[in-house]
Amino acid sequence: DAGVTQSPTHLIKTRGQQVTLRCSPISGHKSVSWYQQVLGQGPQFIFQYYEKEERGRGNFPDRFSARQFPNYSSELNVNALLLGDSALYLCASSLQGYNYGYTFGSGTRLTVV
Amino acid sequence: RKEVEQDPGPFNVPEGATVAFNCTYSNSASQSFFWYRQDCRKEPKLLMSVYSSGNEDGRFTAQLNRASQYISLLIRDSKLSDSATYLCVVIPSKAAGNKLTFGGGTRVLVKP
Repeated sequence: DAGVTQSPTHLIKTRGQQVTLRCSPISGHKSVSWYQQVLGQGPQFIFQYYEKEERGRGNFPDRFSARQFPNYSSELNVNALLLGDSALYLCASSLQGYNYGYTFGSGTRLTVV
Repeated sequence: RKEVEQDPGPFNVPEGATVAFNCTYSNSASQSFFWYRQDCRKEPKLLMSVYSSGNEDGRFTAQLNRASQYISLLIRDSKLSDSATYLCVVIPSKAAGNKLTFGGGTRVLVKP
């Protein structure tokens, strides 16, 4: 079975540009979450979607947005990129409920120059 | 105060030795607790859930102390392959839904 797949794996963007990151959860998983991990820190929660509805939002500016599609895949969009947006963006999927461990994709490494 | 705090380390551990480290959390209503392992430049992977009664998985033992608001991870008979960053993860409350709150990680280096 395929795990959580993310694309692209690496990306270089210029300040002010916009970026879209994609995530496909494990088959049967209905919940997708996005996390940002800056080098040397733990991941920080950005969004969580369950059954195509936003169920949580972290402390990130409105430049960050996301959505979940009927097939449960998800996109994270970041507008007006800043140097500080350079990070590993992780997608995690889970079945449902909050007592299940999450499975993470290998991430998209975004570099803003 | 951060929601979840960990000693960043590194913990330098001789192969075969035992190492233990803690993680403190600030929200007393926190519901669920996990340890994740993250290798350099890789994604976090679930190591084990942490249950109120404590639990063991092979060489790994996790404990939860709700009164003092910390969880711990103990690794026995350390292997070179145990070298990684160990992330403490808390789900703050039911109201937080499925949001995972991560500590900054504890780096463990097992040396021959």
